[in-house]
Amino acid sequence: QLQLQESGPGLVKPSETLSLTCSVSGGSISSTSYYWGWIRQPPGKGLEWIGTIYYSGTTYNNPSLKSRVTISVDTSKNQFSLKVSSVTAADTAVYYCAVNYASGRLNWFDPWGQGILVTVSS
Amino acid sequence: DIVMTQSPDSLAVSLGERATINCKSSQSVLYISNNKNYLAWYQQKPGQPPKLLIYWASTRESGVPDRFSGSGSGTDFTLTISSLQAEDVAVYYCQQYYSTPLTFGGGTNVEIK
Repeated sequence: QLQLQESGPGLVKPSETLSLTCSVSGGSISSTSYYWGWIRQPPGKGLEWIGTIYYSGTTYNNPSLKSRVTISVDTSKNQFSLKVSSVTAADTAVYYCAVNYASGRLNWFDPWGQGILVTVSS
Repeated sequence: DIVMTQSPDSLAVSLGERATINCKSSQSVLYISNNKNYLAWYQQKPGQPPKLLIYWASTRESGVPDRFSGSGSGTDFTLTISSLQAEDVAVYYCQQYYSTPLTFGGGTNVEIK
């Protein structure tokens, strides 16, 4: 049974880069069956898809974050990562990693990590 | 982008009564070639990540109680809780996966009356 766990700093200064890692257990990140996604949720608000990566390195990003987002995968560590550059207070959110099921195209998310709150503040 | 609009924003239902949540997409999420609606529903309890309830608009995820059901096609969808239980208090979200960017509805908060 796949389990995911986010890790990284809980506080980031404005204009700096937010960096998070998602560790996968219970399965291989190199499995051809799974894609790996990031979703965020500002406090008290709804869900926003950030992007998804396949073990090969192919990425799918939400244009709303434009070129600020980089998603990468480290198969040797069974992890994938998220970087968001030039952060502002609007990037304050709980960040989730999740398995992004796919069948020809990206589908739903299941399961999810517990989430990590990242606050952007000086 | 496909915009997902949920209604109502909040819903108070008595225990044992039916709860109905609506989700409308700004364009059809029905893929004609396979006749599937590219829509999922999630439940999020306070302090927890979302949990997948339903995909393909009406297929219940393994382990999800059968009081949860999804229906609809094209642009209009419904999540129904047939007999509300105390443990169903949560925020419910719909999500389309017809096209990227993947998008979610704004959520519906379900409470006990």
